[in-house]
Amino acid sequence: GDSVTQMEGPVTLSEEAFLTINCTYTATGYPSLFWYVQYPGEGLQLLLKATKADDKGSNKGFEATYRKETTSFHLEKGSVQVSDSAVYFCALSARETSGSRLTFGEGTQLTVNP
Amino acid sequence: EAGVAQSPRYKIIEKRQSVAFWCNPISGHATLYWYQQILGQGPKLLIQFQNNGVVDDSQLPKDRFSAERLKGVDSTLKIQPAKLEDSAVYLCASSPSLGGGEQYFGPGTRLTVT
Repeated sequence: GDSVTQMEGPVTLSEEAFLTINCTYTATGYPSLFWYVQYPGEGLQLLLKATKADDKGSNKGFEATYRKETTSFHLEKGSVQVSDSAVYFCALSARETSGSRLTFGEGTQLTVNP
Repeated sequence: EAGVAQSPRYKIIEKRQSVAFWCNPISGHATLYWYQQILGQGPKLLIQFQNNGVVDDSQLPKDRFSAERLKGVDSTLKIQPAKLEDSAVYLCASSPSLGGGEQYFGPGTRLTVT
């Protein structure tokens, strides 16, 4: 079945450091890929998405590129801020096999210190 | 535009008791989802509705969980009887269609079963 694997957390960085959170997936066909973010006390919010191979999703300084050859969708940000502290979830939607259901990774807790 | 509303935000019950959660999706959104998020894990789909019909309930423990979406708008999720392992955050999400695009999440209901 479909699955998403994220790098283990938690991740602790200093402000202005470079961030990478790894995400790989297993799915049949051509899934859409997403990064969702969950700030403390809030619901999940879509951060960015990509719907086909080589697409780059970007938002709020975050970027991720859909790599079909490595089945990956790694999240990056060049300079993190304290306000980026949150839990980040990689997810996929494989319409051919599971409709529009989202399959999530385990989540990666990011803490950014001033 | 109002977001996805859920109530209650928190609920504590004893095992073998019953509990119900309510969700009101974004106005006009045809598709509604219920996810279960156990602490330290990513959300897992329980059930998906398109208008007032069930699209996917393959991961719903039907011996104790039930859900309905009368009139194709708001929805209730019920657990009867609850078990300790049902302690989790129950998330409701909605999307405009079955197209596999962005889902909009509510703040969730945190259930503790003692």
